[in-house]
Amino acid sequence: GAVVSQHPSRVICKSGTSVKIECRSLDFQATTMFWYRQFPKKSLMLMATSNEGSKATYEQGVEKDKFLINHASLTLSTLTVTSAHPEDSSFYICSATPQGGMNTEAFFGQGTRLTVV
Amino acid sequence: AQKVTQAQTEISVVEKEDVTLDCVYETRDTTYYLFWYKQPPSGELVFLIRRNSFDEQNEISGRYSWNFQKSTSSFNFTITASQVVDSAVYFCALTYGSSNTGKLIFGQGTTLQVKP
Repeated sequence: GAVVSQHPSRVICKSGTSVKIECRSLDFQATTMFWYRQFPKKSLMLMATSNEGSKATYEQGVEKDKFLINHASLTLSTLTVTSAHPEDSSFYICSATPQGGMNTEAFFGQGTRLTVV
Repeated sequence: AQKVTQAQTEISVVEKEDVTLDCVYETRDTTYYLFWYKQPPSGELVFLIRRNSFDEQNEISGRYSWNFQKSTSSFNFTITASQVVDSAVYFCALTYGSSNTGKLIFGQGTTLQVKP
């Protein structure tokens, strides 16, 4: 199956700093990628849809200035958590579908566990 | 509105028992996809199955089987002869209509513990 690589897998940062998480589709092109957030022992919640070459679409309640998404190429989307605070600590996971997106599964990255201290 | 409900928060069974994880969904769309994912403690999501709304055929894959019933809006997952390695959190998910199948609504998840 297709591979989506997410980096880093774990990151610890100080409060007030920014953290960038990368999501790469290694063997296919993805015009659309998705970012999810998962709190401990909770479900995955869609944060935003990342569109190659255009602005991301954020779900209701997600601060777009806090969570900056850039999808500069067909194989890379980045999520930057700006001015991180302890409440931003969470598990972030991306997914991508091959171009077209229909009748196929979504391929998920390994996830990034962010801890803000 | 779209919604996925996994009413069972935690299930504990003894190895070799059969276990069924329930999933009930709500959608107004006529075309949609349903998924099951397994999330082990490491966190990654392991794809188990995808089913589209026009295919109500049940599926069996080894010890896994799925029962899709549109009449009750359910997509239940059964593990036969459970093993300790089946211990994980299992998520049922639904697409946002006929759009990109990467855009998913997840249920709350069911934590399955299989004891030796």
